[in-house]
Amino acid sequence: EAQVTQNPRYLITVTGKKLTVTCSQNMNHEYMSWYRQDPGLGLRQIYYSMNVEVTDKGDVPEGYKVSRKEKRNFPLILESPSPNQTSLYFCASSYRAGREKLFFGSGTQLSVL
Amino acid sequence: GQQLNQSPQSMFIQEGEDVSMNCTSSSIFNTWLWYKQDPGEGPVLLIALYKAGELTSNGRLTAQFGITRKDSFLNISASIPSDVGIYFCAGHGGSNYKLTFGKGTLLTVNP
Repeated sequence: EAQVTQNPRYLITVTGKKLTVTCSQNMNHEYMSWYRQDPGLGLRQIYYSMNVEVTDKGDVPEGYKVSRKEKRNFPLILESPSPNQTSLYFCASSYRAGREKLFFGSGTQLSVL
Repeated sequence: GQQLNQSPQSMFIQEGEDVSMNCTSSSIFNTWLWYKQDPGEGPVLLIALYKAGELTSNGRLTAQFGITRKDSFLNISASIPSDVGIYFCAGHGGSNYKLTFGKGTLLTVNP
């Protein structure tokens, strides 16, 4: 089944403790992206990747890192999480950037205490 | 940057009623996508539109790409309780590869 898989679904952590949220897609998509969703603010793009080893900042990149060493994986790294990073995070992918359908993972609910 | 205004922000309707929501943009888009998000889940693509004037259906859902290329509409006919969720529009315009999202319409259906 074609899908975007994120792990974990739920994560509670403390301020400053490094964490990684994994994302994997099995559709051979070139484009991958991370979003955060907050009440009243909709979906905001954190980082995106046009292809392997090509990443760039989205609208709200501060406090996050990403890597794209393989086509299928696009992990989101929080080196030193803070409470304002408590949010619902989504990974998404599409065949290419641009006029393509974007497919989303099921989300990761992160709470930073 | 490009912005999308999605309205209404929320709707409370009775089962069986029809629903309409729309998105407008300050600039021209060449692709419109409509998503539904169930509680605790990721957005799921409902309909994709690629041409001005295009009208596409998916079951009880119908979406249209506005002639001006600055708006899109989603209609749901004969709503049922499982239609509850947040509906997002998203658009892609010009040479900008980025997909811009509306802030969503929260739909509640009373049985």
